Amino acid sequence: SQKIEQNSEALNIQEGKTATLTCNYTNYSPAYLQWYRQDPGRGPVFLLLIRENEKEKRKERLKVTFDTTLKQSLFHITASQPADSATYLCALVTNAGKSTFGDGTTLTVKP
Amino acid sequence: EPEVTQTPSHQVTQMGQEVILRCVPISNHLYFYWYRQILGQKVEFLVSFYNNEISEKSEIFDDQFSVERPDGSNFTLKIRSTKLEDSAMYFCASRRLGTGNIEKLFFGSGTQLSVL
Repeated sequence: SQKIEQNSEALNIQEGKTATLTCNYTNYSPAYLQWYRQDPGRGPVFLLLIRENEKEKRKERLKVTFDTTLKQSLFHITASQPADSATYLCALVTNAGKSTFGDGTTLTVKP
Repeated sequence: EPEVTQTPSHQVTQMGQEVILRCVPISNHLYFYWYRQILGQKVEFLVSFYNNEISEKSEIFDDQFSVERPDGSNFTLKIRSTKLEDSAMYFCASRRLGTGNIEKLFFGSGTQLSVL
């Protein structure tokens, strides 16, 4: 069956360090992969999208990689800040537009 | 930035009652979705809707669930006879484009449904 796994439920890092979150999937051939941020009691907010033929995407302090051979995406936040503390979700998207979400990783950035 | 609006923000109901959750998607969006998130669990796909019909639904979306776009702006999710396990945060989402032209999903802030 299809499975999406995000590396850990919680990740704690010190302010200024780089946070690296992992999303692995099996039995799936997504056309796209997205990363969202979710704050408590709120809906997910889109951050980045990467297509299957792209290796890397950047946006300000965010970087996403997509390796379809390893079936893995890495999400990096450089120079992390306490305001980056949130749950980060990866979502696999089919060509039909359906998004399937992972469990999420809760990032805490300590000052 | 335009927003997806959901009402109410919190709904409390008795088991067996019908509830209607309401959403106003972004005005020029064509694809609409309902997702739900049980406390502490992942965001789960329920249904997608395009051109006034369901385009895909999950196994969660059984005969107790229905969706409607009664006018040009609202998109509703109805649960006919609520069960305790329907308690969750329900998110509406919309997208401007779809197949072959994937863009981001815009999510509303959710309706927290509590079934007692």
